[in-house]
Amino acid sequence: DAGVIQSPRHEVTEMGQEVTLRCKPISGHNSLFWYRQTMMRGLELLIYFNNNVPIDDSGMPEDRFSAKMPNASFSTLKIQPSEPRDSAVYFCASSLFGGTGANVLTFGAGSRLTVL
Amino acid sequence: AQSVTQPDIHITVSEGASLELRCNYSYGATPYLFWYVQSPGQGLQLLLKYFSGDTLVQGIKGFEAEFKRSQSSFNLRKPSVHWSDAAEYFCAVGAGDYKLSFGAGTTVTVRA
Repeated sequence: DAGVIQSPRHEVTEMGQEVTLRCKPISGHNSLFWYRQTMMRGLELLIYFNNNVPIDDSGMPEDRFSAKMPNASFSTLKIQPSEPRDSAVYFCASSLFGGTGANVLTFGAGSRLTVL
Repeated sequence: AQSVTQPDIHITVSEGASLELRCNYSYGATPYLFWYVQSPGQGLQLLLKYFSGDTLVQGIKGFEAEFKRSQSSFNLRKPSVHWSDAAEYFCAVGAGDYKLSFGAGTTVTVRA
Protein backbone atom coordinates (compact mmCIF):
# COMPACT_ATOMS: atom_id res chain seq x y z
CA ASP A 1 0.00 0.00 0.00
CA ALA A 2 1.27 3.47 -0.86
CA GLY A 3 0.00 4.90 2.40
CA VAL A 4 -1.84 8.18 2.75
CA ILE A 5 -0.98 10.42 -0.17
CA GLN A 6 -1.11 14.20 0.11
CA SER A 7 -0.57 16.90 -2.46
CA PRO A 8 0.95 19.33 -2.87
CA ARG A 9 3.87 18.78 -0.52
CA HIS A 10 4.67 22.46 -0.52
CA GLU A 11 2.52 25.43 -1.40
CA VAL A 12 3.50 29.07 -1.36
CA THR A 13 0.76 31.54 -2.08
CA GLU A 14 -0.17 35.13 -1.49
CA MET A 15 -2.70 36.38 0.97
CA GLY A 16 -6.21 36.29 -0.43
CA GLN A 17 -5.60 33.39 -2.78
CA GLU A 18 -7.52 30.13 -2.65
CA VAL A 19 -5.62 27.07 -1.50
CA THR A 20 -6.72 23.48 -2.05
CA LEU A 21 -4.98 20.58 -0.34
CA ARG A 22 -5.67 17.04 -1.42
CA CYS A 23 -5.62 13.67 0.27
CA LYS A 24 -5.97 10.06 -0.82
CA PRO A 25 -6.51 7.81 2.21
CA ILE A 26 -5.48 4.19 2.51
CA SER A 27 -7.81 1.91 0.58
CA GLY A 28 -10.26 0.23 2.93
CA HIS A 29 -10.00 2.83 5.65
CA ASN A 30 -13.35 4.32 6.63
CA SER A 31 -12.17 7.34 8.62
CA LEU A 32 -10.28 10.43 7.48
CA PHE A 33 -8.85 13.24 9.51
CA TRP A 34 -7.33 16.62 8.69
CA TYR A 35 -4.84 18.00 11.21
CA ARG A 36 -2.91 21.25 11.32
CA GLN A 37 0.54 21.47 12.92
CA THR A 38 2.09 24.73 14.08
CA MET A 39 4.87 25.52 16.51
CA MET A 40 2.51 27.46 18.73
CA ARG A 41 -0.46 25.10 18.87
CA GLY A 42 1.00 21.70 18.03
CA LEU A 43 -1.27 19.20 16.30
CA GLU A 44 -4.88 20.29 16.03
CA LEU A 45 -7.72 18.20 14.67
CA LEU A 46 -9.59 20.21 12.07
CA ILE A 47 -12.21 17.78 10.82
CA TYR A 48 -13.13 14.09 10.97
CA PHE A 49 -14.99 12.13 8.30
CA ASN A 50 -16.46 8.68 8.76
CA ASN A 51 -17.67 6.84 5.67
CA ASN A 52 -17.30 10.10 3.72
CA VAL A 53 -19.60 12.00 6.07
CA PRO A 54 -18.26 14.89 8.17
CA ILE A 55 -18.74 13.93 11.80
CA ASP A 56 -16.83 16.59 13.68
CA ASP A 57 -15.78 19.90 12.16
CA SER A 58 -15.51 21.79 15.43
CA GLY A 59 -11.80 22.28 14.86
CA MET A 60 -12.20 24.16 11.60
CA PRO A 61 -10.92 27.64 12.42
CA GLU A 62 -13.51 29.70 10.59
CA ASP A 63 -15.68 29.90 7.51
CA ARG A 64 -12.66 30.40 5.31
CA PHE A 65 -11.90 26.71 5.80
CA SER A 66 -13.94 23.97 4.18
CA ALA A 67 -13.41 20.26 3.62
CA LYS A 68 -15.06 17.72 1.42
CA MET A 69 -14.90 14.00 0.91
CA PRO A 70 -16.81 13.18 -2.29
CA ASN A 71 -15.83 9.52 -2.19
CA ALA A 72 -13.88 7.02 -0.11
CA SER A 73 -10.62 7.68 -1.91
CA PHE A 74 -10.40 11.45 -2.01
CA SER A 75 -10.69 14.46 0.27
CA THR A 76 -9.90 18.15 -0.06
CA LEU A 77 -9.25 20.92 2.41
CA LYS A 78 -9.83 24.37 1.00
CA ILE A 79 -8.88 27.75 2.39
CA GLN A 80 -10.48 30.77 0.77
CA PRO A 81 -9.25 33.43 1.16
CA SER A 82 -5.94 32.43 2.66
CA GLU A 83 -4.20 34.55 5.31
CA PRO A 84 -0.60 34.53 6.62
CA ARG A 85 -1.76 32.98 9.91
CA ASP A 86 -2.88 29.91 7.97
CA SER A 87 0.78 29.06 7.33
CA ALA A 88 1.30 25.60 8.80
CA VAL A 89 1.77 21.97 7.91
CA TYR A 90 -1.52 20.26 7.15
CA PHE A 91 -1.70 16.52 7.66
CA CYS A 92 -4.24 14.07 6.42
CA ALA A 93 -4.61 10.79 8.32
CA SER A 94 -6.82 7.78 7.83
CA SER A 95 -7.85 4.78 9.88
CA LEU A 96 -10.20 1.83 10.02
CA PHE A 97 -12.29 2.81 13.00
CA GLY A 98 -15.35 0.97 14.19
CA GLY A 99 -16.79 3.74 16.33
CA THR A 100 -15.36 2.57 19.62
CA GLY A 101 -12.03 1.23 20.69
CA ALA A 102 -8.58 2.08 19.46
CA ASN A 103 -8.23 4.52 16.59
CA VAL A 104 -4.88 3.84 14.92
CA LEU A 105 -4.04 6.69 12.57
CA THR A 106 -1.80 6.51 9.52
CA PHE A 107 -0.55 9.94 8.53
CA GLY A 108 0.40 11.35 5.19
CA ALA A 109 3.64 13.25 4.65
CA GLY A 110 1.89 16.59 5.03
CA SER A 111 1.40 19.73 2.96
CA ARG A 112 3.49 22.68 4.06
CA LEU A 113 1.57 25.88 3.35
CA THR A 114 3.17 29.29 3.36
CA VAL A 115 0.93 32.31 2.89
CA LEU A 116 2.81 35.52 2.14
CA ALA B 1 -11.39 14.71 28.29
CA GLN B 2 -8.03 13.03 28.05
CA SER B 3 -4.74 14.95 27.89
CA VAL B 4 -1.06 14.24 27.46
CA THR B 5 2.04 15.88 28.88
CA GLN B 6 5.52 15.41 27.51
CA PRO B 7 7.69 17.15 30.10
CA ASP B 8 10.84 17.32 27.99
CA ILE B 9 10.82 19.69 25.04
CA HIS B 10 14.30 18.76 23.85
CA ILE B 11 16.70 15.94 24.67
CA THR B 12 20.25 15.54 23.44
CA VAL B 13 21.80 12.10 23.58
CA SER B 14 25.07 10.63 22.33
CA GLU B 15 24.98 8.00 19.64
CA GLY B 16 25.00 4.58 21.27
CA ALA B 17 23.60 5.86 24.55
CA SER B 18 20.21 4.94 25.90
CA LEU B 19 17.17 7.13 25.47
CA GLU B 20 14.05 7.57 27.56
CA LEU B 21 11.23 9.94 26.66
CA ARG B 22 8.58 10.69 29.23
CA CYS B 23 4.85 10.78 28.69
CA ASN B 24 2.16 11.35 31.29
CA TYR B 25 -1.52 11.16 30.50
CA SER B 26 -4.70 12.17 32.20
CA TYR B 27 -7.70 9.90 31.74
CA GLY B 28 -10.01 8.15 34.17
CA ALA B 29 -10.18 4.73 32.56
CA THR B 30 -7.65 2.58 30.74
CA PRO B 31 -6.48 4.63 27.79
CA TYR B 32 -5.26 3.67 24.35
CA LEU B 33 -1.67 4.91 24.15
CA PHE B 34 0.55 5.60 21.18
CA TRP B 35 4.00 6.86 20.33
CA TYR B 36 4.60 8.45 16.94
CA VAL B 37 7.86 9.70 15.42
CA GLN B 38 8.18 12.57 12.97
CA SER B 39 11.39 12.94 11.00
CA PRO B 40 12.12 16.36 9.50
CA GLY B 41 9.78 17.13 6.64
CA GLN B 42 7.85 13.92 7.11
CA GLY B 43 4.54 12.82 8.53
CA LEU B 44 4.01 11.02 11.80
CA GLN B 45 4.89 7.33 11.83
CA LEU B 46 3.50 4.96 14.43
CA LEU B 47 6.24 3.48 16.62
CA LEU B 48 4.11 1.42 18.97
CA LYS B 49 0.76 1.26 20.73
CA TYR B 50 -0.76 -0.07 23.93
CA PHE B 51 -4.33 -1.20 24.25
CA SER B 52 -4.31 -3.86 26.97
CA GLY B 53 -2.39 -6.86 28.26
CA ASP B 54 1.36 -6.87 28.72
CA THR B 55 2.38 -3.44 29.92
CA LEU B 56 5.72 -3.57 28.11
CA VAL B 57 5.18 -3.15 24.39
CA GLN B 58 7.70 -3.51 21.62
CA GLY B 59 7.67 -1.31 18.58
CA ILE B 60 9.55 -0.68 15.41
CA LYS B 61 13.13 0.56 15.16
CA GLY B 62 14.09 -1.06 18.46
CA PHE B 63 11.82 1.09 20.63
CA GLU B 64 9.78 -0.12 23.57
CA ALA B 65 7.40 1.55 25.99
CA GLU B 66 6.02 0.65 29.37
CA PHE B 67 2.53 1.46 30.60
CA LYS B 68 2.44 2.23 34.31
CA ARG B 69 -1.10 2.79 35.49
CA SER B 70 -0.05 3.88 38.98
CA GLN B 71 2.04 6.67 37.51
CA SER B 72 -0.22 7.46 34.55
CA SER B 73 2.84 7.13 32.35
CA PHE B 74 3.83 5.59 29.07
CA ASN B 75 7.54 6.23 28.68
CA LEU B 76 9.41 5.38 25.51
CA ARG B 77 12.85 3.77 25.63
CA LYS B 78 15.62 2.66 23.34
CA PRO B 79 18.77 0.96 24.64
CA SER B 80 21.16 2.36 22.04
CA VAL B 81 20.29 5.29 19.78
CA HIS B 82 21.43 5.72 16.23
CA TRP B 83 21.94 9.02 14.43
CA SER B 84 18.82 8.24 12.41
CA ASP B 85 16.73 8.42 15.60
CA ALA B 86 17.05 12.20 15.59
CA ALA B 87 13.45 13.32 15.20
CA GLU B 88 10.45 14.62 17.08
CA TYR B 89 8.49 12.15 19.15
CA PHE B 90 4.82 12.46 20.04
CA CYS B 91 2.88 10.62 22.68
CA ALA B 92 -0.86 10.34 22.13
CA VAL B 93 -3.81 9.06 24.14
CA GLY B 94 -7.22 7.90 23.00
CA ALA B 95 -10.32 7.32 25.08
CA GLY B 96 -12.11 4.87 22.84
CA ASP B 97 -13.64 7.34 20.43
CA TYR B 98 -12.14 8.85 17.29
CA LYS B 99 -10.19 11.59 19.08
CA LEU B 100 -6.53 11.35 19.91
CA SER B 101 -4.89 13.89 22.18
CA PHE B 102 -1.29 14.51 21.23
CA GLY B 103 1.46 15.81 23.44
CA ALA B 104 3.53 18.81 22.42
CA GLY B 105 6.37 16.57 21.31
CA THR B 106 9.97 15.95 22.36
CA THR B 107 12.76 16.77 19.93
CA VAL B 108 15.67 14.35 20.10
CA THR B 109 19.11 15.41 18.93
CA VAL B 110 21.77 12.73 18.53
CA ARG B 111 25.39 13.81 18.80
CA ALA B 112 28.24 11.80 17.35
